[in-house]
Amino acid sequence: QVQLVQSGAEVKGPGASVTVSCKTSGYAFNFYYIHWVRQAPGQGLEWMGWIFPKSRETKFAPKFQDWVTMTGDTSVSTAYMEVSSLRSDDTAVYYCATSTSGQYFDYWGQGTLVTVSS
Amino acid sequence: QSALTQPRSVSGSPGQSVTISCTGTSSDVGGNNYISWYQHHPGKAPKVMIYDVSKRPSGVPDRFSGSKSGNTASLTISGLQAEDEADYYCCSYTGGYTNVLFGGGTKLTVL
Repeated sequence: QVQLVQSGAEVKGPGASVTVSCKTSGYAFNFYYIHWVRQAPGQGLEWMGWIFPKSRETKFAPKFQDWVTMTGDTSVSTAYMEVSSLRSDDTAVYYCATSTSGQYFDYWGQGTLVTVSS
Repeated sequence: QSALTQPRSVSGSPGQSVTISCTGTSSDVGGNNYISWYQHHPGKAPKVMIYDVSKRPSGVPDRFSGSKSGNTASLTISGLQAEDEADYYCCSYTGGYTNVLFGGGTKLTVL
């Protein structure tokens, strides 16, 4: 069965960087988009961008264009998302999700809480 | 890009029906049929309830239905049950099917 397992919670100081991993199994990782979505406390879901692992092509929502990096390691079927220059309003639960059946998110990771605090 | 517009909250009694609207523009909701709806319980991963405007994934009760008219999509939940209480988000592709936009979310309370 399809599974997306994310790395554990992180606490970082302002200005630092954080990398969240999303290890996948049960489907052909290379050929399906991995999306990243976040939810800040008390806020709604916010789409950040996607990566297509085989080509390494990425697409970002405009607000994340300059400070988020998405990569994928096809040898271990794992996607990574790095957020740099962290600010307090980057405190959020970050989710990875994939679309194996169509233009919607059918499988999700369990979420990773990133807390930015001095 | 602004989030799609949803009511902040809706409520209904068990057995009743509720409809949640999701309003966008001709560049997103009105311009494609890749509209999906997600149920989100706190502390859990979101779950797709409707995709492609009105299709239900396997395992989703037929109490959940979706539709679209112009720039507004809607999710209707009939025969409300206590376990339906959650946050609901609409989602649309935009920008030539490369970008994704979520609604602001609607909190459903089952009275």
